[in-house]
Amino acid sequence: GDSVTQMEGPVTLSEEAFLTINCTYTATGYPSLFWYVQYPGEGLQLLLKATKADDKGSNKGFEATYRKETTSFHLEKGSVQVSDSAVYFCALSDRFSGGSQGNLIFGKGTKLSVKP
Amino acid sequence: DARVTQTPRHKVTEMGQEVTMRCQPILGHNTVFWYRQTMMQGLELLAYFRNRAPLDDSGMPKDRFSAEMPDATLATLKIQPSEPRDSAVYFCASGLVSGETQYFGPGTRLLVL
Repeated sequence: GDSVTQMEGPVTLSEEAFLTINCTYTATGYPSLFWYVQYPGEGLQLLLKATKADDKGSNKGFEATYRKETTSFHLEKGSVQVSDSAVYFCALSDRFSGGSQGNLIFGKGTKLSVKP
Repeated sequence: DARVTQTPRHKVTEMGQEVTMRCQPILGHNTVFWYRQTMMQGLELLAYFRNRAPLDDSGMPKDRFSAEMPDATLATLKIQPSEPRDSAVYFCASGLVSGETQYFGPGTRLLVL
């Protein structure tokens, strides 16, 4: 079945460092890909999404490009801030990928800590 | 700014007690999801509703968990009887049948002693 694998954390960076969180997926068909962010004590929030190959999702300085050839959707940010400290989840939607329900399949999450 | 709301935000109860969690999806959304989040298991899908009809509850322990949508503005998740292993954060999310994005509530943090 469909699955998402993301790098294990925690990831600790200094402020203004470059961030990459790796995410790869296994799916039949052409899933949409998502990054969600969870700040401490809160629910998940959509950070960005991409619906087809070579699409780039971007928001709040974060970017991720849908790479079909490498089945990847890595999250990047050029200069992280302390306020970016959170858990980041990669996910895919099986709606157009052979799945019948349109569920989101989540990775296990990567905790990011940014130090001043 | 439309949001998913969940009540209660925190619940502490004793083993064997009934727990009911409530969710108000975003107005107009016709799909509702219940998730459970723990350190060990991560985020698990428990149940899924479309137009108030349960479509998939395979992730839910049937003997003690039940999920319903009495109307379009309310979804409930009930645990009876509760056990310490049910301690977790329970999230509700809503969305549109025609879309893929899910919008999450703030969660109910449950502790069963």
